[in-house]
Amino acid sequence: AQSVSQHNHHVILSEAASLELGCNYSYGGTVNLFWYVQYPGQHLQLLLKYFSGDPLVKGIKGFEAEFIKSKFSFNLRKPSVQWSDTAEYFCAVSPDNYGQNFVFGPGTRLSVLP
Amino acid sequence: EAGVTQSPTHLIKTRGQQATLRCSPISGHTSVYWYQQALGLGLQFLLWYDEGEERNRGNFPPRFSGRQFPNYSSELNVNALELEDSALYLCASSESSPRLYEQYFGPGTRLTVT
Repeated sequence: AQSVSQHNHHVILSEAASLELGCNYSYGGTVNLFWYVQYPGQHLQLLLKYFSGDPLVKGIKGFEAEFIKSKFSFNLRKPSVQWSDTAEYFCAVSPDNYGQNFVFGPGTRLSVLP
Repeated sequence: EAGVTQSPTHLIKTRGQQATLRCSPISGHTSVYWYQQALGLGLQFLLWYDEGEERNRGNFPPRFSGRQFPNYSSELNVNALELEDSALYLCASSESSPRLYEQYFGPGTRLTVT
């Protein structure tokens, strides 16, 4: 069965620190990859997505992610976090095969201290 | 453009009762997905409807069911409610092929079972 793991349950950073959130998936075929964010009191929003092409994708609010196929990874990065980045971050995988559901990781809670 | 809407915002039921949750997708979207977000468990896929048909369901008992109407709106029914059904239920919609398009999420319905 497909699964998505996220390396950290809770990450605490100070403003201006660099961020990297890990995401690994277990699926042997072609996949589409997503990072979603849920700010406090708000609903899930898409941060960025990867379908094909350049494995380094850029999203909103200065976030980027790199797809490394050989490592089954899709890590999220931001060079300098802000207090407003405090949120829960979810990695999701959708197999490139009609009929399959999205599989979400358990989420990583990011707390940025001012 | 209006986003995904869900009703009600909050729902309080007692054990053994039935709950009905509703979702209206973004105009032009034909796929509707239901997820359960229980505390500490992340998003768990429940059901996927596309063009009025149930396309896939997650690892949930049959008392979780739903349907999609001709206008692509959807409802989720949970029968014989149990305390552990207390969670945030999220609806998402996408264009018809999940392979190509990302999911857009609604604000959720908070179900509390007492």
